[in-house]
Amino acid sequence: GQQLNQSPQSMFIQEGEDVSMNCTSSSIFNTWLWYKQDPGEGPVLLIALYKAGELTSNGRLTAQFGITRKDSFLNISASIPSDVGIYFCAGHNAGNMLTFGGGTRLMVKP
Amino acid sequence: GAGVSQSPRYKVAKRGQDVALRCDPISGHVSLFWYQQALGQGPEFLTYFQNEAQLDKSGLPSDRFFAERPEGSVSTLKIQRTQQEDSAVYLCASSLAEQNYQPQHFGDGTRLSIL
Repeated sequence: GQQLNQSPQSMFIQEGEDVSMNCTSSSIFNTWLWYKQDPGEGPVLLIALYKAGELTSNGRLTAQFGITRKDSFLNISASIPSDVGIYFCAGHNAGNMLTFGGGTRLMVKP
Repeated sequence: GAGVSQSPRYKVAKRGQDVALRCDPISGHVSLFWYQQALGQGPEFLTYFQNEAQLDKSGLPSDRFFAERPEGSVSTLKIQRTQQEDSAVYLCASSLAEQNYQPQHFGDGTRLSIL
């Protein structure tokens, strides 16, 4: 089973809104990564974090590696329609394999 | 192309048949990983190669699952005597270096359906 708890599980956005999601674990992680997955495609790497406290941006995306090494958040500013999809947090905590969260599904408000 | 390539994209098999899934990693990438993604869930680790050596197969769910990477580039994941619970998307990822904790880049997966 997965060790990463990701929230929220799903959320509706309106174009222009800021979005925030996070990931927590009971175990310490050595890296945190955020991926986006569109239907029928593989996960695409958005941001990789390597040090506790690190804050990194990639365009409208900002992510932080928590000080305790047990959590991370991802913020999306000024959302646009193509931001819809499933966002996964992932990390290395033992060995080279990645452990993934359950995903946050971003949808557009009707 | 420059990315991880997986084939076939879709595979339908009857229960009990054997299947083989192929992964072409990014050229020059040393490490190769297989993950299984059930519907509505995040990927789960199956096995990991560094060059041709299989360093970790702790995630393989049973001895019906077998993976190889004989020349250190292309990898094949084989599932023998398939069962309905094997239905999932199988993702392959590769990373450049041998050092730990390198970012992994994923292919688009093979969607396996067992009837």
